[in-house]
Amino acid sequence: EVQLVESGGGLVKPGGSLRISCAASGFSFSSYAMSWVRQAPGKGLEWVSTLSSTGETTYYADSVKGRFTISRDNSNNLLYLQMNSLKVEDTAVYYCAKSQSPVGSAAFFDSWGQGNLVTVSS
Amino acid sequence: DIVMTQSPDSLAVSLGERATINCKSSQSVLYSSLNKNYLAWYQQKPGQPPKLLLYWASTRESGVPDRFTGNGSGTDFTLTISRLQAEDVAVYYCQQHYSSPRTFGQGTKVEIK
Repeated sequence: EVQLVESGGGLVKPGGSLRISCAASGFSFSSYAMSWVRQAPGKGLEWVSTLSSTGETTYYADSVKGRFTISRDNSNNLLYLQMNSLKVEDTAVYYCAKSQSPVGSAAFFDSWGQGNLVTVSS
Repeated sequence: DIVMTQSPDSLAVSLGERATINCKSSQSVLYSSLNKNYLAWYQQKPGQPPKLLLYWASTRESGVPDRFTGNGSGTDFTLTISRLQAEDVAVYYCQQHYSSPRTFGQGTKVEIK
C-alpha cells in the first residue's frame, strides 16, 4: 500500500524559511515523479512543483519559482520542499503526491499524503 | 497557462439520482498522436486529501465504483455520478496534465438534496 507522510510544517514569519518533508513507502519511490500540491484554507487545489524520478528535471508554479526548491533522496525514499522568502499567501496545507510516471510532464497524481499545514503569519 | 473552469460551483442531488459536473479547458488537452485527453478527476471529502477518480478523461482508477463516469474530449469534459450515494458528498476537481503548469478547476461541491 502506498503511504506518503508529510512532516515539518508549522508557523513561520513572513520572509522566513521552512523545509517540509514527505516519507514514502509501499512503492518503488525512485521510479516515479513526485509533486507538491497545496490548498489554502477553504480554497481549491494549486499545483506547486514536480520532480522527475531521477531528480534531474524540475517544474515550478510561477507563484513559487525562485523561492521554493523541490528535491528528493531516493536512497531514503524522501521528498523535500525547501521554502524561502515565505509570504502570507503561502499559507496552506501542503500535500505530497505521487505521479503515475517517472517523468514530470503529463503528470497526474495517483496517491496523496494527508497533508501538512504551513502557516505564514507575523 | 491552461485555465480549467468547472460548472456548477455546487449542486444538490437526491440520493439515487444523477449528478453531472462540467469541466472546460481554455485550450485542448487532447494529445492527438496518442488520442488521449490529459484530464483527471479527483474527489475530496471533508478533512481528507484528494483521491484520484479518473484519468485520461475516462479511465477509472482501480477501486473506483462504476457509477463514476468520465466523458468528453478536447476542451469539454463531464464527470457523471450515475446514482448518488451518501458517501459521494465531496468536492470534485478536474485537472489538466497536458502541460505545465498543471492546473485544477475551482472545484464543484456535491451535496444531498
